[in-house]
Amino acid sequence: DTAVSQTPKYLVTQMGNDKSIKCEQNLGHDTMYWYKQDSKKFLKIMFSYNNKELIINETVPNRFSPKSPDKAHLNLHINSLELGDSAVYFCASSQARLAGLETQYFGPGTRLLVL
Amino acid sequence: TQLLEQSPQFLSIQEGENLTVYCNSSSVFSSLQWYRQEPGEGPVLLVTVVTGGEVKKLKRLTFQFGDARKDSSLHITAAQPGDTGLYLCAGEPYNQGGKLIFGQGTELSVKP
Repeated sequence: DTAVSQTPKYLVTQMGNDKSIKCEQNLGHDTMYWYKQDSKKFLKIMFSYNNKELIINETVPNRFSPKSPDKAHLNLHINSLELGDSAVYFCASSQARLAGLETQYFGPGTRLLVL
Repeated sequence: TQLLEQSPQFLSIQEGENLTVYCNSSSVFSSLQWYRQEPGEGPVLLVTVVTGGEVKKLKRLTFQFGDARKDSSLHITAAQPGDTGLYLCAGEPYNQGGKLIFGQGTELSVKP
């Protein structure tokens, strides 16, 4: 059983397109996150949701819009894709919102390449 | 802006050698975590340290949190090829609960 799953695993698209990445967790966790890992392996938080409520929004361009239809799902929609959006996007979840004291479970990542 | 600086960025050693990875900051963290990431996968939590001066051991891995809670180290004894991977430290800033700041990572390669 996969704890945190993401689809798709690979996404290759043209500049200017709109795309979505989906994330689901079956751990019963209250908090979910989106991270971006760049080509130098630097991992940076983008968003965090707790019980479907946005609690962290880290100076991310408003072309990125997260949506949490329920506690188990957190999707990421990206409008007008740019070359600099190419990265690996990780979804994660934790039981509660105390990020540093909780175990965050990461998905396998979505490798986005914008051409 | 809180930053966590990891060193070294790359490390290539022979099986059986010992190594230490450092994670430093000028900021105080409520807690600090170490993750290991293998190619094509997401990071996996190894340990969480909370108290200044705390030392935790996980088999051949020893983790230490600095007394002032601004730095941490990961020491691996007798490294094995299975230890190969990207090691990431991540801290929860003292006044910004709910998010983790990650270091740049250390890519470790252990050759047989």
